[in-house]
Amino acid sequence: KAGVTQTPRYLIKTRGQQVTLSCSPISGHRSVSWYQQTPGQGLQFLFEYFSETQRNKGNFPGRFSGRQFSNSRSEMNVSTLELGDSALYLCASRPTGDYGYTFGSGTRLTVV
Amino acid sequence: DQQVKQNSPSLSVQEGRISILNCDYTNSMFDYFLWYKKYPAEGPTFLISISSIKDKNEDGRFTVFLNKSAKHLSLHIVPSQPGDSAVYFCAASKGKIIFGKGTRLHILP
Repeated sequence: KAGVTQTPRYLIKTRGQQVTLSCSPISGHRSVSWYQQTPGQGLQFLFEYFSETQRNKGNFPGRFSGRQFSNSRSEMNVSTLELGDSALYLCASRPTGDYGYTFGSGTRLTVV
Repeated sequence: DQQVKQNSPSLSVQEGRISILNCDYTNSMFDYFLWYKKYPAEGPTFLISISSIKDKNEDGRFTVFLNKSAKHLSLHIVPSQPGDSAVYFCAASKGKIIFGKGTRLHILP
């Protein structure tokens, strides 16, 4: 059974650009969440999608957005990149009614 | 506003001894608690969980204890092994899942 797949694994962008990250959940998982991990801040919740609808949202500016497609695949977009957006972005999926997330390996974004 | 707190950034334990990782939370509405383990360059891996209606859950070498009155949970690993060296995240759920900042566990030979 394939795990959660995130692409790309590494990304370098310039300040002011925008970026799109992709996540393919485990087959059958309809809930997908995104987290940002930075040193000293742990995993900070960005948003959760279920059946193409955003179900929960964290305390991030509107530059951070996401969406989920009918096949449960999800993308997150960050516009007008800032240096502070450099982080590991993690996607996680879980089955309906289950609390246990399975995480992908993440996308390491570096903004220069 | 940090709802899930892991106050020890790091912990060193001798191989074979017990490792105790602690976590405090502020929101009494959390109904499920989880522990994750993370190695460098990998995503977190689910370890063990506990529902708010229980006070203990055990899975092999790992036991999680929940003290609702103190809003405190802990993860016990016994005996500790070298492969347990990793960052451990405590998480709590009420809808969305909120993670603590993590505790880095070093198992000493």
